Amino acid sequence: GAGVSQSPSNKVTEKGKDVELRCDPISGHTALYWYRQSLGQGLEFLIYFQGNSAPDKSGLPSDRFSAERTGGSVSTLTIQRTQQEDSAVYLCASSSQSGGPSYGYTFGSGTRLTVV
Amino acid sequence: KQEVTQIPAALSVPEGENLVLNCSFTDSAIYNLQWFRQDPGKGLTSLLLIQSSQREQTSGRLNASLDKSSGRSTLYIAASQPGDSATYLCALFPPSNTGKLIFGQGTTLQVKP
Repeated sequence: GAGVSQSPSNKVTEKGKDVELRCDPISGHTALYWYRQSLGQGLEFLIYFQGNSAPDKSGLPSDRFSAERTGGSVSTLTIQRTQQEDSAVYLCASSSQSGGPSYGYTFGSGTRLTVV
Repeated sequence: KQEVTQIPAALSVPEGENLVLNCSFTDSAIYNLQWFRQDPGKGLTSLLLIQSSQREQTSGRLNASLDKSSGRSTLYIAASQPGDSATYLCALFPPSNTGKLIFGQGTTLQVKP
């Protein structure tokens, strides 16, 4: 597609429920990142996928968070047993080259998650 | 550990004014640097990408500079407009090539008509 697409754009869920957030990167982009932006905070790295390599999960805040990337394209971020502190904007980015340093990143519009 | 600082945290200027946003970093070993814009409740829009070998990049009324030796980057906005009101973020690519962006906290700009 023309850009990075994220869905849903907004999600309100009850505490304790599981949620899935979806990211469609730009076609052909090999690198995909998830970041989280909490209210008034900076962007926090969550997870990084590069081609068929094992993902870098070092930023996931707890074992309630997981992500997968199917077929090297679409990625799903899953949060189990959501807590109020999970409320944030979840941003996905993709890049056309390994690590993206020469090409920069394209971000999606994000999913605003509210846990009530 | 690389740290990125953006000063000021917030800025309010009258329309038409030229302004400079600052970004400083503690480790000069960076791969490159990217400036983003974020509108309230929205994602990030890329403004300018400066490669490590470059000193500046220009796009329209925007000019970004990079001085690795001093650990600084500036984003210059000429003839500011109310539509420029947003949060501006700078982000570094570390040389480790993991691609993890390191973000500053951002500068929230308000341009008053």
